Amino acid sequence: AQSVSQHNHHVILSEAASLELGCNYSYGGTVNLFWYVQYPGQHLQLLLKYFSGDPLVKGIKGFEAEFIKSKFSFNLRKPSVQWSDTAEYFCAVNTRGGGADGLTFGKGTHLIIQP
Amino acid sequence: EAGVTQSPTHLIKTRGQQVTLRCSPISGHTSVYWYQQALGLGLQFLLWYDEGEERNRGNFPPRFSGRQFPNYSSELNVNALELEDSALYLCASSMYGQWGNQPQHFGDGTRLSIL
Repeated sequence: AQSVSQHNHHVILSEAASLELGCNYSYGGTVNLFWYVQYPGQHLQLLLKYFSGDPLVKGIKGFEAEFIKSKFSFNLRKPSVQWSDTAEYFCAVNTRGGGADGLTFGKGTHLIIQP
Repeated sequence: EAGVTQSPTHLIKTRGQQVTLRCSPISGHTSVYWYQQALGLGLQFLLWYDEGEERNRGNFPPRFSGRQFPNYSSELNVNALELEDSALYLCASSMYGQWGNQPQHFGDGTRLSIL
């Protein structure tokens, strides 16, 4: 079974700082990778996804992530964060082929942006 | 476009009771997923239904069950409730994707408290 590890449980940054949230997964086969965000009082929303092709994927609100297969990593980045990026961020993975399965989520990273 | 809707929003039950949670997917989505978000355990995959059939289940006991109706809505049933079942139960829906690459859209969840 696959697992997902998010290294930072809590991150506090100032506005305009650069952001990188780490995500590593363990699975020997081919995977689909996702980042979800949950803003305060809202439901989980998809930020971006990687299935195949260009390992650098761009999502909504200026976020991007890079899939590095050799490192089993899918880190989330944003060059300059805003106060409105305060939220919980979840990395998730599922396996490809043979039909889909449920997502395996990391424990999440609580990001606080100070004005 | 209406999102994934779940009912009820909150439930309070006692140990040993049974509970039914409901989910309506986004129009056009045939797959419904259920997740449990318990304190300290993160989001864990429970069940996946597509076209009325259970396609996969996570590592949960058989007292967690469900079904999907012809209109693609779904119910999650939990029998013999235990204190550890206290959690937020999230439903997600997606179009079916053979390779698991259809993003899942989440509802707001049902908060279940066991006394």
